[in-house]
Amino acid sequence: DTAVSQTPKYLVTQMGNDKSIKCEQNLGHDTMYWYKQDSKKFLKIMFSYNNKELIINETVPNRFSPKSPDKAHLNLHINSLELGDSAVYFCASSQGAGRAEAFFGQGTRLTVV
Amino acid sequence: TQLLEQSPQFLSIQEGENLTVYCNSSSVFSSLQWYRQEPGEGPVLLVTVVTGGEVKKLKRLTFQFGDARKDSSLHITAAQPGDTGLYLCAGGLNAGGTSYGKLTFGQGTILTVHP
Repeated sequence: DTAVSQTPKYLVTQMGNDKSIKCEQNLGHDTMYWYKQDSKKFLKIMFSYNNKELIINETVPNRFSPKSPDKAHLNLHINSLELGDSAVYFCASSQGAGRAEAFFGQGTRLTVV
Repeated sequence: TQLLEQSPQFLSIQEGENLTVYCNSSSVFSSLQWYRQEPGEGPVLLVTVVTGGEVKKLKRLTFQFGDARKDSSLHITAAQPGDTGLYLCAGGLNAGGTSYGKLTFGQGTILTVHP
């Protein structure tokens, strides 16, 4: 059983399009995240949700809109895609109070052409 | 803004050699994690250290948290080709007494172990 699963694994799309990435975790964790990994492998947090509530928004453009229908799911919708959005996006989850170890999904490689 | 400086960025060694990766910050972290990431996969947690001066061992890997909880090191003894991968340190913070798990990552170390 995959602990944190995200789909799709690869996404190639044209500039200006809107796309979504879905994430689900079966670990029973309260907290979920979206991270962005750039071409130099640097991982940076984008959003954090705790029990469906937005907790962290790290100055991400408002073209990026996360949605958490329940604490096991955190989706990411991106409007008006730009070339600079090309990266690998990772969903992750962790136990809420006092523990920050993150369990990551396999990543979604987004390529904007 | 909390920053983690990880070094070296690249490491290419022969099988059997020892190596150390460093992770330094001017900020204090409540915990420090080390992750390993293979191509096409997400980072996988190796260890968490939470106490200043703590040392943890995982087979040939030794992790140390600095006394002031600002720095950490990962030492691999007798490296093997299977150790090849991207190693990431990440500092965790507790915000306002309740942790939402924000992690600040170092830039990563790409380790290649040649047979």
